[in-house]
This record gives sequence, structure tokens and C-alpha cells, in this order.
Amino acid sequence: KAGVTQTPRYLIKTRGQQVTLSCSPISGHRSVSWYQQTPGQGLQFLFEYFSETQRNKGNFPGRFSGRQFSNSRSEMNVSTLELGDSALYLCASSLAAGLLNEQFFGPGTRLTVL
Amino acid sequence: GNSVTQMEGPVTLSEEAFLTINCTYTATGYPSLFWYVQYPGEGLQLLLKATKADDKGSNKGFEATYRKETTSFHLEKGSVQVSDSAVYFCALSGETDSWGKLQFGAGTQVVVTP
Repeated sequence: KAGVTQTPRYLIKTRGQQVTLSCSPISGHRSVSWYQQTPGQGLQFLFEYFSETQRNKGNFPGRFSGRQFSNSRSEMNVSTLELGDSALYLCASSLAAGLLNEQFFGPGTRLTVL
Repeated sequence: GNSVTQMEGPVTLSEEAFLTINCTYTATGYPSLFWYVQYPGEGLQLLLKATKADDKGSNKGFEATYRKETTSFHLEKGSVQVSDSAVYFCALSGETDSWGKLQFGAGTQVVVTP
């Protein structure tokens, strides 16, 4: 069974640009969560989607947005990039939005903003 | 709000030594607690979990017991191997409608030398 895949794996952008990251969950998984990992702030929750609906949102500015498609694939978008957006963006999927559903993480997308 | 505090690293050990990584939390209600491990260049993997007080999670020789009285979830392994070198994250999941939202500690890097 294929794991969580994230594309692209590496991305370099300049300030002011926008970027879209993609996450394909494990087949059959309907819940997708996104996290930002930086050396300074650690792992921070961005959003959670279940059945195309955003269930939770972390404390990030409106430049960060996301969506989930009917096949459970998810994308996140960051507009007007800032240097501080450089990070590893991790996606996690689980069967459903419940406590006992283990979250499986992808390898992440490494975003560098110049 | 919820928070997780774990000991700072790096923790450097010799092979076959005993490993303890301290983790304490602040949360309302009854959170579920997790330990994740991140190997270099990879995403996070769930190592073990505990969903209620006095539960003991265990996997691959690692153990952690959910102690509500001390709000702790310390990770232990009796005899580490070089392959255990990684970054370990303690995490909690709080309110019933936020299962997909994990609150992570800062992470503890463990280095095991032969």
C-alpha cells in the first residue's frame, strides 16, 4: 500500500510569489492534516480536512489556505511568500477524523523562499 | 491552551545504554498522548500512543506511561541501538473535535554512538 505522497519534494521561490503544495493520502484515507516545521517554531498545525470540509485551522495568517478534493487529495496554497515561510511542510492522512485513527505522515515538501 | 514540553537535546548515548526523554503537558480535559520519531530526511512515524490515564504505550522496545497526576508521558528504552538515532517528538491531541490537530513538543534529537 502506497504511503502519503507529497509533491513537489523541494521548491525554491522568491518573496512575493505564491506556491501550491500537493498531498495524496493513503488510499481510503479521508482525513488530511497539514503542519509546518521550522527550526525556530517546531511543528505547527496548519489545517485539517475531512470529506472536503475544513474541520480545524491553526493560527496562521490568511495567506495560508487549503482545500480537499472529492478523492481526498489535498492542496495547500501560500500567497505573497515571505522569507519566514521557508519550512518543511508535512501532510498527514488518517482513515477518518477520529482519535484512534493514526496519522501517517508524508516525507514533506521543503520550501525555500529567497 | 494546550502545550507540550520535552527535554532539550541533543542526547548522546552509547549503544546499549538506557534512554529516557522527558515529556510533560498542559491540557484541559483528557488528551491523548503520542510519541513520534523522525529519521533524517523523512516524515514523522508514530512510535506509540496512550489514550487514557495509566495507559502504557509500547513499540519496538520503547515504552511510555500516561501519568495524569504528574501530567507526564516520558519515553524510555532499555537498550538503544545506533539505528535509534533520530528526533523524537512528544505530542498531544486534545478536544474531541480536534483529533486531527496534534500539538507537538520541540523535539529531542537522540544520537547513539557505537
